[in-house]
Amino acid sequence: GQNIDQPTEMTATEGAIVQINCTYQTSGFNGLFWYQQHAGEAPTFLSYNVLDGLEEKGRFSSFLSRSKGYSYLLLKELQMKDSASYLCAVVTDSWGKFQFGAGTQVVVTP
Amino acid sequence: DTAVSQTPKYLVTQMGNDKSIKCEQNLGHDTMYWYKQDSKKFLKIMFSYNNKELIINETVPNRFSPKSPDKAHLNLHINSLELGDSAVYFCASSQRALTDEQYFGPGTRLTVT
Repeated sequence: GQNIDQPTEMTATEGAIVQINCTYQTSGFNGLFWYQQHAGEAPTFLSYNVLDGLEEKGRFSSFLSRSKGYSYLLLKELQMKDSASYLCAVVTDSWGKFQFGAGTQVVVTP
Repeated sequence: DTAVSQTPKYLVTQMGNDKSIKCEQNLGHDTMYWYKQDSKKFLKIMFSYNNKELIINETVPNRFSPKSPDKAHLNLHINSLELGDSAVYFCASSQRALTDEQYFGPGTRLTVT
């Protein structure tokens, strides 16, 4: 079966850094996406990793280790608008089948 | 201009009815998807079409039938609605199935009473 694990909720203060971990055990791997979803809205793309290492994009960075089945999303200089659910999604086959994690709710406090 | 649009945004209906949700994308993408997000916010893929051809068909009751009349449209028809079908349904599209980011529509909140 497919298994993607993320913490349920994380709380951090404005201006701080938060790291959201995602571990996966899937039958196949063709890349890993991170999406952000604000309450009542559609998910929006944040990052894509297919090779090991760190991808940096402004305040957000994403890391992948394929051998460990592990990724993290790093959010720096947190802002109130970063309060949202962060979804880890693994592409599990060559047809582009996705498996999403349950999401991590990040709460940013003043 | 809206990239991925869905209609209706809200749908309230009774058990046993048949309903359709429409999705259109104006991004020129080749691949389109339907997702279901339940009350626990878990997002699960249902179907995926690439150039009007079904490429992903998850374990979904056959009461759900997708139809892609052309590359820009992917509609979802649901027969004999059940209480458990209540959820938010998202349509999405991407240029390629494997490596490209997906653009999601605003979602359709379906409530079955």
